[in-house]
Amino acid sequence: QKEVEQNSGPLSVPEGAIASLNCTYSDRGSQSFFWYRQYSGKSPELIMSIYSNGDKEDGRFTAQLNKASQYVSLLIRDSQPSDSATYLCSAGNNRLAFGKGNQVVVIP
Amino acid sequence: DVKVTQSSRYLVKRTGEKVFLECVQDMDHENMFWYRQDPGLGLRLIYFSYDVKMKEKGDIPEGYSVSREKKERFSLILESASTNQTSMYLCASTPAGELADTQYFGPGTRLTVL
Repeated sequence: QKEVEQNSGPLSVPEGAIASLNCTYSDRGSQSFFWYRQYSGKSPELIMSIYSNGDKEDGRFTAQLNKASQYVSLLIRDSQPSDSATYLCSAGNNRLAFGKGNQVVVIP
Repeated sequence: DVKVTQSSRYLVKRTGEKVFLECVQDMDHENMFWYRQDPGLGLRLIYFSYDVKMKEKGDIPEGYSVSREKKERFSLILESASTNQTSMYLCASTPAGELADTQYFGPGTRLTVL
């Protein structure tokens, strides 16, 4: 079964700091990669998509993709309390697989 | 703006009942998905559909069936609800083309089976 792994536990960061989240995927044929944010009791919402190796920046968010290492990461710069949520990584080719998520807590 | 709606936010049913969860999307998307989300297990795909009347099993289809009679509507059916089907159910849709495209999620239905 194709898997997406998000292994690190809850991440606590001070307000204004950088939060760094990592994700690995097992399907080497994956072509599409996404980061979703999910607030408690809510559904996931897309924050970043990335399809080619390298970095992609959107506001305070940067996604990084390394297909050779099968690795995707998300950086959140200038973290705000509103960034406190669970972040889901997903990857796939003809179907998406989702990681179990990483909880981020931004401390004012 | 893509909108995916689900028929109920909260639902309480009894063991053995037949349960229908409805999902409607208004963006003419070809592909629709049903997931369940449980603490520690993440999002798991139950069924998906890439066209009207077409359906494919996901990773955990046992105990569920689906129906897609119209393009905008995808229903999840629990034939005989059991307590282990207590979960958050999420519907999603993607445009035509790749199934592994940006997924737009509905608000979710939290189902409790007593």
